[in-house]
Amino acid sequence: GQQVMQIPQYQHVQEGEDFTTYCNSSTTLSNIQWYKQRPGGHPVFLIQLVKSGEVKKQKRLTFQFGEAKKNSSLHITATQTTDVGTYFCAGNLQGGSEKLVFGKGTKLTVNP
Amino acid sequence: GAVVSQHPSWVICKSGTSVKIECRSLDFQATTMFWYRQFPKQSLMLMATSNEGSKATYEQGVEKDKFLINHASLTLSTLTVTSAHPEDSSFYICSARDWRAYYGYTFGSGTRLTVV
Repeated sequence: GQQVMQIPQYQHVQEGEDFTTYCNSSTTLSNIQWYKQRPGGHPVFLIQLVKSGEVKKQKRLTFQFGEAKKNSSLHITATQTTDVGTYFCAGNLQGGSEKLVFGKGTKLTVNP
Repeated sequence: GAVVSQHPSWVICKSGTSVKIECRSLDFQATTMFWYRQFPKQSLMLMATSNEGSKATYEQGVEKDKFLINHASLTLSTLTVTSAHPEDSSFYICSARDWRAYYGYTFGSGTRLTVV
């Protein structure tokens, strides 16, 4: 079946260090979305990328969608303690499916 | 932005009883809603797709007679865990998408179910 792999599973950084999580799908995606889930909370939508090779920035966060629309990355520059949480990538498969296929997430902890 | 309201936030029930969880889209209509289950420190597992006015579509391995889904209106979907057992204890989350806006999927706040 369709799978979305995400690495690393855990990442611990010192405040101010950069952080990157990578997402790779076994099949071509229609889009890639990124969500953040704080401890005890629910996933919150961060961004959606649709175009092959697309790059988007949100302040210290940079999101990329691969040329083949199978992989993606989220990079955080100069992490802050407020960045703590689990970051999930998710995508809709091509063909108009509304189902989101989630990666397993990367749990980020930041040491102040 | 789009808001999805989920109730209750947490519930404790006895084994053998049933629990109903509600998911409402507050400011948009949702013909489709999704129900997920999340185990501690794990990703979201899609259980079923709830379709307004028709039967839900269940993922492989999810018992449709145990997890009853009803999507009676364009703003409300319910998940009923029937004859609950301790292994059903989990975090259940619903989501929907407001296609009018560029918000991705909006998730409810989740329901922490504990079966004792």
